[in-house]
Amino acid sequence: QSALTQPASVSGSPGQSITISCTGTSSDIGAYKYVSWYQHHPGKAPKLMIYEVSSRSSGVSTRFSGSKSGNTASLIISGLQAGDEADYYCCSFTSTNTLLFGGGTKLTVL
Amino acid sequence: EVQLLESGGGLVQPGGSLRLACAASGFTFSNYAMNWVRQAPGKGLEWVSGISGSGGTTYYADSVKGRFTISRDKTKNTLYLQMNSLRADDSAVYYCAKSPHEYGSVRYGMDVWGQGTTVIVSS
Repeated sequence: QSALTQPASVSGSPGQSITISCTGTSSDIGAYKYVSWYQHHPGKAPKLMIYEVSSRSSGVSTRFSGSKSGNTASLIISGLQAGDEADYYCCSFTSTNTLLFGGGTKLTVL
Repeated sequence: EVQLLESGGGLVQPGGSLRLACAASGFTFSNYAMNWVRQAPGKGLEWVSGISGSGGTTYYADSVKGRFTISRDKTKNTLYLQMNSLRADDSAVYYCAKSPHEYGSVRYGMDVWGQGTTVIVSS
């Protein structure tokens, strides 16, 4: 099964907002509300940011939000900060009872 | 505090076997689904396998089905991944990760991750 499609990289200046898209199919993102987003700093454990499309994980800043439309989910980060620079991955439950990650997006804060 | 600590990684020859372990603490282990996720060098995250809280239901990615076996021991609060017929493309950091919802399935994703253990498959 092919990975969900994410842009390889996005960038923004401090204070700006950015959106990371995650495109799947009607057998994963389009079929379920079980989309999650993870922040990963190299060498550290990934961190859950968003679960079930739009619910923020405990302790995650309100600057992070999630949404879904059809087969595409999105992670929106507002008020960009230097500490937000990391790799971001989406993940969806699928019709074959598996989890499927996106290829990852490298966020650069200019 | 919820903690997950992986062990068992190392260098193994192609075709060999390895068993990873993940010691869990700080939560009622048998009430939560658990997962293994890996990251190959220079690559993204890849979900490998999941198991229900009871251990009665298991799930696998196509890339490891028939070669890897996930299991859990509630008496030891430990998750396992038995890896057989290892290939070079199985080389990765392997993370264990906990489901966020008590009595939930693997579908909800992962809220707590371990620091990972490195597996290198090479002759």
